[in-house]
Amino acid sequence: QLHLQESGPELVKPSETLSLTCTVSGGSMSNSAYYWGWIRQPPGRGLEWLGTFFYSGTTYYSPSLKSRVTMSVDTSKSQFSLKLTSVSAADTAIYFCARGTVTTCDDCFDSWGQGTLVTVSS
Amino acid sequence: QSVLTQPPSVSGAPGQRVTISCTGSSSNIGAGYDVHWYQQLPGTAPKLLIFDNNNRPSGVPDRFSGSKSGTSASLAISGLQAEDEADYYCQSHDNSLTGSLFGGGTKLTVL
Repeated sequence: QLHLQESGPELVKPSETLSLTCTVSGGSMSNSAYYWGWIRQPPGRGLEWLGTFFYSGTTYYSPSLKSRVTMSVDTSKSQFSLKLTSVSAADTAIYFCARGTVTTCDDCFDSWGQGTLVTVSS
Repeated sequence: QSVLTQPPSVSGAPGQRVTISCTGSSSNIGAGYDVHWYQQLPGTAPKLLIFDNNNRPSGVPDRFSGSKSGTSASLAISGLQAEDEADYYCQSHDNSLTGSLFGGGTKLTVL
């Protein structure tokens, strides 16, 4: 059974870079049938899509974060990563990694990690 | 403010039917992009409930159904149960944003 697990620092200082990793188990990342994404949720608020990348290498980022966000994948480690630069308190959120299946839909996410809370504070 | 507008809250008694709307525009739902729905129980990750407007993943009860018309979509929940109390989010693609987006979410309270 597929399992996604986010990991990374729980506390990041303002202006620094937030770095998170999602480790995938129970399924292969080297499969064109899947795409991978990051979604965040500020405490008590709604979901915000951050970006999605496809097996082909095509990556889409949220326009509001495009200048600060980078996603990458390391299939040898079954991991994909998120980097968000120049963070501020507004970036405090629960960060989820997720997977979608191309045979299901073009951009929905059918498997999610449990999420990890990242707080931006000095 | 989200480009996909949902009512902040809805409520219903056990056994009743409720609907949650998701109103978009000509650059997303109205452009023909599919709408997906997620259920988020308190303290948990979202779960895909409906994909491509009206399809249920395996394991989702048929009490949940989706529809789409014009620039809006709806999620209907019939035979309300206490365990349906959760936050519900719609998702679609937007041309102008060149990416995906979520609605602001709707909190369902089962009275």
